[in-house]
Amino acid sequence: DSGVTQTPKHLITATGQRVTLRCSPRSGDLSVYWYQQSLDQGLQFLIHYYNGEERAKGNILERFSAQQFPDLHSELNLSSLELGDSALYFCASNREGGTGELFFGEGSRLTVL
Amino acid sequence: AQSVAQPEDQVNVAEGNPLTVKCTYSVSGNPYLFWYVQYPNRGLQFLLKYITGDNLVKGSYGFEAEFNKSQTSFHLKKPSALVSDSALYFCAVRDMRNTDKLIFGTGTRLQVFP
Repeated sequence: DSGVTQTPKHLITATGQRVTLRCSPRSGDLSVYWYQQSLDQGLQFLIHYYNGEERAKGNILERFSAQQFPDLHSELNLSSLELGDSALYFCASNREGGTGELFFGEGSRLTVL
Repeated sequence: AQSVAQPEDQVNVAEGNPLTVKCTYSVSGNPYLFWYVQYPNRGLQFLLKYITGDNLVKGSYGFEAEFNKSQTSFHLKKPSALVSDSALYFCAVRDMRNTDKLIFGTGTRLQVFP
């Protein structure tokens, strides 16, 4: 158990809909990273938050947004869903100043029908 | 740009034989390198890392990795494979430009046959 919690584990929805994925980092970790894992594109970095502020953006679509709240949990919002958004979405956390390894949650599997 | 490459989509090995999963890197400066394993329907689990020091790094579950600066490689190894080692393995490098995110390779599926 990495200590990172993600909900929901599975989500099935229709095209055009909006979903929210939630992540609670390990106790004491201020950084949260979101990654998307799809069959054809491997693990793609989406966005990084540190202590409530956005630190870096990767290949995140404009239809997607994220935030990190004062209690350090983070949410990834996916809107106007398309079939191609079906993927595993991972959250990871780590501590500032460490040697860099990330600790991953079990992921949220999104299926868009 | 920082990147890692995993040249093999799949590696097959018989149980009890040594295994190697290959990774090469391209970074500016000194690399921070990592290996992760992903079992079916699970998240990524950290196996080991190279930051500095000894080129042979030991990690979880009997795995080790050898850092080779001249060949820009960081291959994952295990002296004796187990069927339970069958999983997806990812090499990663830390992006230290403006964030500490990890950049992952495309993954190598390890299949260990009894």
